[in-house]
Amino acid sequence: AQSVTQLGSHVSVSEGALVLLRCNYSSSVPPYLFWYVQYPNQGLQLLLKYTTGATLVKGINGFEAEFKKSETSFHLTKPSAHMSDAAEYFCAVSESNFGNEKLTFGTGTRLTIIP
Amino acid sequence: EAGVVQSPRYKIIEKKQPVAFWCNPISGHNTLYWYLQNLGQGPELLIRYENEEAVDDSQLPKDRFSAERLKGVDSTLKIQPAELGDSAVYLCASSLPHGVGYTFGSGTRLTVV
Repeated sequence: AQSVTQLGSHVSVSEGALVLLRCNYSSSVPPYLFWYVQYPNQGLQLLLKYTTGATLVKGINGFEAEFKKSETSFHLTKPSAHMSDAAEYFCAVSESNFGNEKLTFGTGTRLTIIP
Repeated sequence: EAGVVQSPRYKIIEKKQPVAFWCNPISGHNTLYWYLQNLGQGPELLIRYENEEAVDDSQLPKDRFSAERLKGVDSTLKIQPAELGDSAVYLCASSLPHGVGYTFGSGTRLTVV
């Protein structure tokens, strides 16, 4: 069975500082990995995804994530935090080789930006 | 292109009453999902449709929950009767066949009192 662990339910960073949100996964087959962002009272928006190929994946709003198979990790980073980045972030894994299968989500990390 | 449309956005009902949520996926997206998101948690899959066929409903509490996707487009999720513990956000998502990654709707926030 697949699972996702997000370390830190709350993360606070100063505006302009590095953002690092941690995600570790468990999967019995090569995974597809995703980061979603959720703003208050909204649905989830896809930030970026890893399927195959290059392990460093770039997404929207300046975010990127690196797939590290040896560490079973897919941490999300952004070099310089902006106030608009304040939101809930969810890491997710899919085991299907066809993509459209069940997504298993982590419990989320709430990112707060300090002015 | 319109996104995934859900209605209503908010619903407050008394326990033991029925409630229904509606979802209109992105045009051409054959795969449709209903997810449940409890407060402070990540979404959990309730049911997945490929066209009009429910291909994964193993997590749907069938004693009180039901879903349908007539004609393989719009979908309705129903709870009857609702319980206090059903208070949550119900998210609908859709995707292309063999695509990777979903598009989510804004969700319906249900409060059962």
